[in-house]
Amino acid sequence: ETGVTQTPRHLVMGMTNKKSLKCEQHLGHNAMYWYKQSAKKPLELMFVYSLEERVENNSVPSRFSPECPNSSHLFLHLHTLQPEDSALYLCASSPSGASVPRTEQYFGPGTRLTVT
Amino acid sequence: AQSVAQPEDQVNVAEGNPLTVKCTYSVSGNPYLFWYVQYPNRGLQFLLKYITGDNLVKGSYGFEAEFNKSQTSFHLKKPSALVSDSALYFCAVRDTGFQKLVFGTGTRLLVSP
Repeated sequence: ETGVTQTPRHLVMGMTNKKSLKCEQHLGHNAMYWYKQSAKKPLELMFVYSLEERVENNSVPSRFSPECPNSSHLFLHLHTLQPEDSALYLCASSPSGASVPRTEQYFGPGTRLTVT
Repeated sequence: AQSVAQPEDQVNVAEGNPLTVKCTYSVSGNPYLFWYVQYPNRGLQFLLKYITGDNLVKGSYGFEAEFNKSQTSFHLKKPSALVSDSALYFCAVRDTGFQKLVFGTGTRLLVSP
């Protein structure tokens, strides 16, 4: 699990705050992902970055803004969130390219976000 | 689109007994299937995958999974359950876009002493 780290592990923020989640991977991967995990709902893919380029954005509200400055780091910038955004936010990484279909994703421990 | 279904929200088994967590899939083309486990307050951990070859795949912590093409299933199994196996288990399939995994809704496994 130390291959992908996430900070902070817990975050409580008001609806008017601005905060950022950070993810770092030490596995030499080229693809990184943000997922949202809410109680009683399937894991939701939010964003995919491959070689630092965003390749997927699953109709995520603009109050979530991802940033991938290099292949090892991924951020999720948060502003004016709603209480229903409270969830566990998971970061993952994997190799990119032709081998991708055969490879698994490696997940970080997640950030538990509570919006008050 | 590719999809997986986990028909059981929860599976209960006594320690020492065999366990099965069910997963069925729907894909166009070759299926690439994965199992993950999530312990409380942790991220998902990879257990095993089926890409091609033998229908019985062995993975971490003594788990294995049987790929059955005719029944479009990929059930997770373990011959003898441990209390420490209690966790949330997710089946996933690689989407046709290749970069994306499509996850099932998860099955909670409870192993009683």
